[in-house]
Amino acid sequence: DQQVKQNSPSLSVQEGRISILNCDYTNSMFDYFLWYKKYPAEGPTFLISISSIKDKNEDGRFTVFLNKSAKHLSLHIVPSQPGDSAVYFCAASGANAGGTSYGKLTFGQGTILTVHP
Amino acid sequence: DAGVIQSPRHEVTEMGQEVTLRCKPISGHNSLFWYRQTMMRGLELLIYFNNNVPIDDSGMPEDRFSAKMPNASFSTLKIQPSEPRDSAVYFCASTRGQGWDEQYFGPGTRLTVT
Repeated sequence: DQQVKQNSPSLSVQEGRISILNCDYTNSMFDYFLWYKKYPAEGPTFLISISSIKDKNEDGRFTVFLNKSAKHLSLHIVPSQPGDSAVYFCAASGANAGGTSYGKLTFGQGTILTVHP
Repeated sequence: DAGVIQSPRHEVTEMGQEVTLRCKPISGHNSLFWYRQTMMRGLELLIYFNNNVPIDDSGMPEDRFSAKMPNASFSTLKIQPSEPRDSAVYFCASTRGQGWDEQYFGPGTRLTVT
């Protein structure tokens, strides 16, 4: 059962435009959400996170929005740059999600973002 | 800081052979995670260690998989015997505190079992 879903396998955007990556989750116990970026032949790197007590967190060109009632979060990249082309993973965690106390990260399948010059 | 180090970067082996993947976490980090990445399922947590002790191995697919962490600076993931469906990229990650903190990933080991 996929508790974190990224339904768009890929997204193509023109340089300078906004990129919107979406993520849905099913476990209501998740209370902390993260986005990771992955380049080919490298491991994922942390990008931005948001706690369930907030609905928005911004860091430079990257903003994450959380809609708890819809169990949906999105990552906005404005303006998009060719260097943003990568695979983006959404991840979720919660102290009691999955029956653990350490906040196990559950990842989505990833979305391939391509930003065209 | 050298980051999380994994070896080998690529491994090609025949079905039935034993495979050992290695990981050196970032110095000072006390939590270590092994993940497997496939196209179908994305990144799946296999096992989590805290202070060298396995805390959660519920993601280990079956008894063919085993993981050890003999000390704070080294961990292994072993598959014996390997099968073609084990082909994937295996990542090791470490973090200073609890699992929900930012995790630092290694470059991964691409395993191909023929």
